[in-house]
Amino acid sequence: AQSVTQLDSHVSVSEGTPVLLRCNYSSSYSPSLFWYVQHPNKGLQLLLKYTSAATLVKGINGFEAEFKKSETSFHLTKPSAHMSDAAEYFCVVIIYNKLIFGAGTRLAVHP
Amino acid sequence: DTEVTQTPKHLVMGMTNKKSLKCEQHMGHRAMYWYKQKAKKPPELMFVYSYEKLSINESVPSRFSPECPNSSLLNLHLHALQPEDSALYLCASSQVGGGLGGTDTQYFGPGTRLTVL
Repeated sequence: AQSVTQLDSHVSVSEGTPVLLRCNYSSSYSPSLFWYVQHPNKGLQLLLKYTSAATLVKGINGFEAEFKKSETSFHLTKPSAHMSDAAEYFCVVIIYNKLIFGAGTRLAVHP
Repeated sequence: DTEVTQTPKHLVMGMTNKKSLKCEQHMGHRAMYWYKQKAKKPPELMFVYSYEKLSINESVPSRFSPECPNSSLLNLHLHALQPEDSALYLCASSQVGGGLGGTDTQYFGPGTRLTVL
């Protein structure tokens, strides 16, 4: 069965410091994985998508994620956090066009 | 353009009211989705229209009724809702839907915040 586990429910960083949001997946075959971001009272915005073309995926707003099959991980990183990055982040695996969401990680960014 | 639009942005209704949520996309996508999202939770899939064929999450109560007038429009009709139905309702679309190994990106609208009194 396909599933994703987001290892941290909350992450707090200072503005200008690196961001790491962790995601592990479970899949019986090579998965397609996404990261979405949701700002308060907004819809979900696609950050990036992995589909086996390249293990390091670059997304919008300076985010990137690395697919590591040996670790079954797809962690999201950003070198320098901005106040506008404060939001909820969802790691998602897809099968038969059905999205399977992680529980989400709330990112707080402090001045 | 990857825009999905939803109206209204906010809706307050009583338990005896009938209302509708609307969703529209002009990306030529052939699959559209309704999700329900409660506070501090990920979205839950309610319905899928793929090539105008409906798939239903069996746990969704019959007081929610989807309608797909054409491939770019998706409505959600609401009737006799309960206070626990208060949530953010999200619409999404993707290029194709279903099928073995479907991995198309889903693009989400901004949502409708529904409050049932």
